[in-house]
Amino acid sequence: NAGVMQNPRHLVRRRGQEARLRCSPMKGHSHVYWYRQLPEEGLKFMVYLQKENIIDESGMPKERFSAEFPKEGPSILRIQQVVRGDSAAYFCASSPPGTGGAETQYFGPGTRLLVL
Amino acid sequence: AQSVTQPDIHITVSEGASLELRCNYSYGATPYLFWYVQSPGQGLQLLLKYFSGDTLVQGIKGFEAEFKRSQSSFNLRKPSVHWSDAAEYFCAVGAQAGTALIFGKGTTLSVSS
Repeated sequence: NAGVMQNPRHLVRRRGQEARLRCSPMKGHSHVYWYRQLPEEGLKFMVYLQKENIIDESGMPKERFSAEFPKEGPSILRIQQVVRGDSAAYFCASSPPGTGGAETQYFGPGTRLLVL
Repeated sequence: AQSVTQPDIHITVSEGASLELRCNYSYGATPYLFWYVQSPGQGLQLLLKYFSGDTLVQGIKGFEAEFKRSQSSFNLRKPSVHWSDAAEYFCAVGAQAGTALIFGKGTTLSVSS
C-alpha cells in the first residue's frame, strides 16, 4: 500500500519561472492538504482540497500560487513567477473521507524547491 | 489565537537516557493532538495521536505522550533514547476532519554517545 507520493523530490528554478509540484494521495484518500516548511520553521498550512474542489485556501498567498485536485490524476501546486522567498520544502498530506471526527493526515516526502 | 508552542528548540540527550519533549497548545475547539518526527531531508512520520479516551497514548518506536487538558499540554516521552531517534519532532493540533493542522516550530533532538 503505497504512501503519499510527491514529485519531483527536488526542483530548481530560476526567478520568474514556474514551478509545478505534484502529489498523489494514498489509495482511498480523497482529502489533500498542502503545507510549506520554511527553513527552521514548522509547517504552515496552505490549502485543503477534495476532488475538483478547493475547500480551504486560507493559507495560500494571494498571488502566484494556485492548487488543483482534478477528478483524475494527482493534485498540483503551481507557483508562477517564482521568487527566492519561495524556496522551501512543500509537503502534501492526505486523509481518508471524513466521518465527522478527526482524521489523521499522512505526509509525503516533500518537494524541496530552490529558486536561484 | 490558535497556536502550538514547543519551548525547546534543541535538546541533547545521552543514549539510553530518558526524553521528554514539551508541547503546549492554544485551541478553541476540542483538540486532536499529534506528534510527528522528521529525519533530515525526509517527510513527516506520525508517531502518535490523541483524539479522545485514555490521556496516555502509546505510539511507535517506544514513544508515548500524555494529554493534560488543565495544562494545555501534550508532552512526548521515551524512557530510553536510541541514537536513531535523533531527528526533528513536531507537535501539531487539529480539529475535526478536513481542517488544517497547526504545527509547532519543532524540537531538534541530538543523541550523544
